Order: sequence, then structure tokens, then C-alpha cells
Amino acid sequence: DSGVTQTPKHLITATGQRVTLRCSPRSGDLSVYWYQQSLDQGLQFLIQYYNGEERAKGNILERFSAQQFPDLHSELNLSSLELGDSALYFCASSSGGAPLHFGNGTRLTVT
Amino acid sequence: GIQVEQSPPDLILQEGANSTLRCNFSDSVNNLQWFHQNPWGQLINLFYIPSGTKQNGRLSATTVATERYSLLYISSSQTTDSGVYFCAVGGYQKVTFGIGTKLQVIP
Repeated sequence: DSGVTQTPKHLITATGQRVTLRCSPRSGDLSVYWYQQSLDQGLQFLIQYYNGEERAKGNILERFSAQQFPDLHSELNLSSLELGDSALYFCASSSGGAPLHFGNGTRLTVT
Repeated sequence: GIQVEQSPPDLILQEGANSTLRCNFSDSVNNLQWFHQNPWGQLINLFYIPSGTKQNGRLSATTVATERYSLLYISSSQTTDSGVYFCAVGGYQKVTFGIGTKLQVIP
């Protein structure tokens, strides 16, 4: 158990809808990272937060947004969903940059 | 941004065989990590190894930061070693993953 909790585990929704993915980092970790993994693909970095502030941004679509709350949990919001957004979304946390500890992911299916 | 290349892309091993996975990166980095993604999709951190050599059971890793590469050694492979092995590099912010080496260990 990595100590990183992601909910929900599975999500099935229709095109055009909006969903929110939630991540609770390991106790004491201030950094939260979000990654997208499409079928048989590598992990694409989306965004990183550190203690509530955005620190780095990757290839995150404008339809996607994220935030980290004062209690350090983070949410990734995906809106106007398209079929191509179907993927496994991972959250990771760390203390001071490394090592990263990953949650078990949220599998999003857009129909 | 930094480029990460992993080789080989695919690998099939007989149980008990040894293997070496390679990760090349294009720029100096503050950290390098190896991960194993099991067939159920879970990502497990194997090593945090910005430089030097570390060992954990049948696995070991070596990073030569000055030459921008890292190696992951798997000895006496087992079927439970199957999955995808990722190398990830970066600083204190963005951490970039390679595309992985897909390993299948057959009995």
C-alpha cells in the first residue's frame, strides 16, 4: 500500500459530461502529481501542486483543471469529455520531489 | 523538455533468466526512478537512484549521471516480474516518464 488514495476506482460517463477525480496524498507529502495513461501508452504528466500552489504544468488540456486544497488532497476536474479522454488517471505524491508514490488510479471510460 | 528513451521496448524471458533494461536521458537530472507497473495497473516504485548503484533482492539499478543513463538488472526472473518497467527522470517539479519496457516472463 503506497498510502496514496484515489477515488473513484472506476468511472463510466458519457461524452460532454464533467467528472471529478480525487486524490489523498501520503501523510506528510506536500507535492501531488497527476498523470494520464492511455491504453498501452506511457504516463503523460499533467500537472503538479506543492502545498496548495501549482508548480509545474505538462500537456494538460484546457478542458482539464486541478487544485490542491488546504488539507493537501487534490482534485482533477475533466469537462466536456471526449472519447479520447478515456484513460487511467494516476495521482502521485512525494516529499521534496522524489521518490514518487502512486495511487492505484482511476479508470475513466467515456462512452 | 527532457527526453527519456528506454530499451528494449519488449522483452520475453524464460523464468530464471537475467536481463538488463536501459534508460537514456537527454539532460542532467536531480533524480531518476524506476517503476514497475504490474498487469493490474499498479505502479510500484522500485528505486530512487540519481546516481550510483542500489540493490533490492533480485533487482539492482545503476545510474551514471555524467553519461546520462541508468540500468535496471533483473536476475533469476520470475513470472511475477512480468509487466512494464518505467524509468522516470526530473527535478523537483515535472517528472518525465519513458515509454517503458514491456517484460513477459514465461514459465
